Amino acid sequence: QSALTQPASVSGSPGQSITISCTGTSSDVGGYNYVSWYQQHPGKAPKLIIYDVSKRPSGVSNRFSGSKSGNTASLTISGLRPEDEADYYCSSYTTSSTLVFGGGTKLTVL
Amino acid sequence: EVQLLESGGGLVQPGGSLRLSCAASGFTFSSYAMSWFRQAPGKGLEWVSSILSGGNTDYADSVKGRFTISRDNSKNTLYLQMNSLRPEDTAVYYCAKGLLLCDDWGQGTQVTVSS
Repeated sequence: QSALTQPASVSGSPGQSITISCTGTSSDVGGYNYVSWYQQHPGKAPKLIIYDVSKRPSGVSNRFSGSKSGNTASLTISGLRPEDEADYYCSSYTTSSTLVFGGGTKLTVL
Repeated sequence: EVQLLESGGGLVQPGGSLRLSCAASGFTFSSYAMSWFRQAPGKGLEWVSSILSGGNTDYADSVKGRFTISRDNSKNTLYLQMNSLRPEDTAVYYCAKGLLLCDDWGQGTQVTVSS
């Protein structure tokens, strides 16, 4: 199962909005509404911020939003804050009953 | 409060074995799917294996035939038996509650495969 494709890095200034894309195939992202997004700060465990494409777990800021079009999912962070600087990973369920991750995107808040 | 505590990591020679454990508390363990993930040094996240509440299991191709996931609902504990370990299995291993959405993670245990 090939990894999902994410940009290696994105950046933005405080207060701005950024979007991270996650491209797969019809066997994963395009085939199911089971896309999740995780935030990971250095040395820490991942934290779930979006599941089922666009749902937010309790306690996650509404500055985080998710969407999907075809084989590409997207994570948008609005009103960037310094604490948003982290690595972000998308994941998707697949037709092989497995999970596949993207390679990760490093977000820098300038 | 959900708590997941991994243990059992360490240094092992290529071809060796390790058994990781994940002690769970704060939720009805038997009702949830559980998963193992790993992260090699400086690399991204990788799904390793999952076990459903009913006991069905799935594995990544990279570990199929070498790793075995299991659970003991009486002990609220998840396991990962890792055999025929390779240098490329070196990573921090995390257990997590769930499969399609993993909303709670342990802090991870380091596994290093080296001679």
